[in-house]
Amino acid sequence: DAGVIQSPRHEVTEMGQEVTLRCKPISGHNSLFWYRQTMMRGLELLIYFNNNVPIDDSGMPEDRFSAKMPNASFSTLKIQPSEPRDSAVYFCASSYDGEVHQPQHFGDGTRLSIL
Amino acid sequence: RKEVEQDPGPFNVPEGATVAFNCTYSNSASQSFFWYRQDCRKEPKLLMSVYSSGNEDGRFTAQLNRASQYISLLIRDSKLSDSATYLCVVNPSSGGYNKLIFGAGTRLAVHP
Repeated sequence: DAGVIQSPRHEVTEMGQEVTLRCKPISGHNSLFWYRQTMMRGLELLIYFNNNVPIDDSGMPEDRFSAKMPNASFSTLKIQPSEPRDSAVYFCASSYDGEVHQPQHFGDGTRLSIL
Repeated sequence: RKEVEQDPGPFNVPEGATVAFNCTYSNSASQSFFWYRQDCRKEPKLLMSVYSSGNEDGRFTAQLNRASQYISLLIRDSKLSDSATYLCVVNPSSGGYNKLIFGAGTRLAVHP
């Protein structure tokens, strides 16, 4: 079975450029999460979608960050304009959520470096 | 106070040793608990869920103490392949909202 698929695996770009990260959740999952991981701050939840609707975006650092989920099989996280402090590993995760919480399954991540 | 606190380690143990990790959480209404494992430069992967009565999966045993808001993970007969960072994870809400709070992780290094 295919897991969560993220692209690109690595991204190196100059500050000020627009960055778009992509995620395909596991088929049948109805929740999708974007996380950011750094050495200093650990794993932080940026935004959480349920049934394609953003439920909690309180973790999005600032207006430069935006996320969309146009359908159940695709989501994007966009940073515009990018800054060096955005350098981190960005993970997408998905789960099936009903009355019982199910564990989240993570993609391989996108390693982002802003020069 | 952090919502989920763990000893960062590192724990350096020889093969075959038994090692225990502890974790505390601040929200007494938390409903779901997990241990995730993260290898260097890899994604977090679910190791095991933690149930109220405690549960075991091979060499791994997880315990939950709701009164003390404390979770533990015991690894018996450590293998070199157990070297990783172990993340304590708590879902502080009930119902359909599956927001997970991750601890900073405890690093384990198993040596020959």
